[in-house]
Amino acid sequence: GEDVEQSLFLSVREGDSSVINCTYTDSSSTYLYWYKQEPGAGLQLLTYIFSNMDMKQDQRLTVLLNKKDKHLSLRIADTQTGDSAIYFCAEARNTGKLIFGQGTTLQVKP
Amino acid sequence: EAGVVQSPRYKIIEKKQPVAFWCNPISGHNTLYWYLQNLGQGPELLIRYENEEAVDDSQLPKDRFSAERLKGVDSTLKIQPAELGDSAVYLCASSRQADTGELFFGEGSRLTVL
Repeated sequence: GEDVEQSLFLSVREGDSSVINCTYTDSSSTYLYWYKQEPGAGLQLLTYIFSNMDMKQDQRLTVLLNKKDKHLSLRIADTQTGDSAIYFCAEARNTGKLIFGQGTTLQVKP
Repeated sequence: EAGVVQSPRYKIIEKKQPVAFWCNPISGHNTLYWYLQNLGQGPELLIRYENEEAVDDSQLPKDRFSAERLKGVDSTLKIQPAELGDSAVYLCASSRQADTGELFFGEGSRLTVL
């Protein structure tokens, strides 16, 4: 994931909102994705946003896209202990290749 | 619907030994991917198949890595000989169609090379 950057760690208290940030480099990427990885498991698709949108909401998840700055964020409302995991953003290049960031570890404290 | 199945979950071998990983994608998914995930990193694509054809293997170290998907369903990834730096998790994923980022991942095969 050399072209997709994320902060490595975020700690929040249960019930607070979490915001995980990501920057990407390819302005022609058509879709941007958020995946979740729990310990010892594979990645699970959480949500995605098309590049011509600037916001998408899905229950507790809100994705914001600033295409000008190539900045993507994932907001988790009312964060729960079950949300503790590693979150990866990924951009879909027009070659069909998916490029992942290095992941942000979210720690939720009771 | 059954998910992507990988085996073995864990493998410990000595360097220079061969190792093979197997993946069975979700039924009906024509596209299959093998990813490498190093500790603390995101997945990196090794190879992508469309049915039985490898359409992107540019990141596969072909001197020691090989993969096959003979009947366009399950797939095997082989390393021979393994090196210490190959210690990682090997993830298999599948998708219904090409050019989508909606991938379904298996639990991965964790390789430790001693």
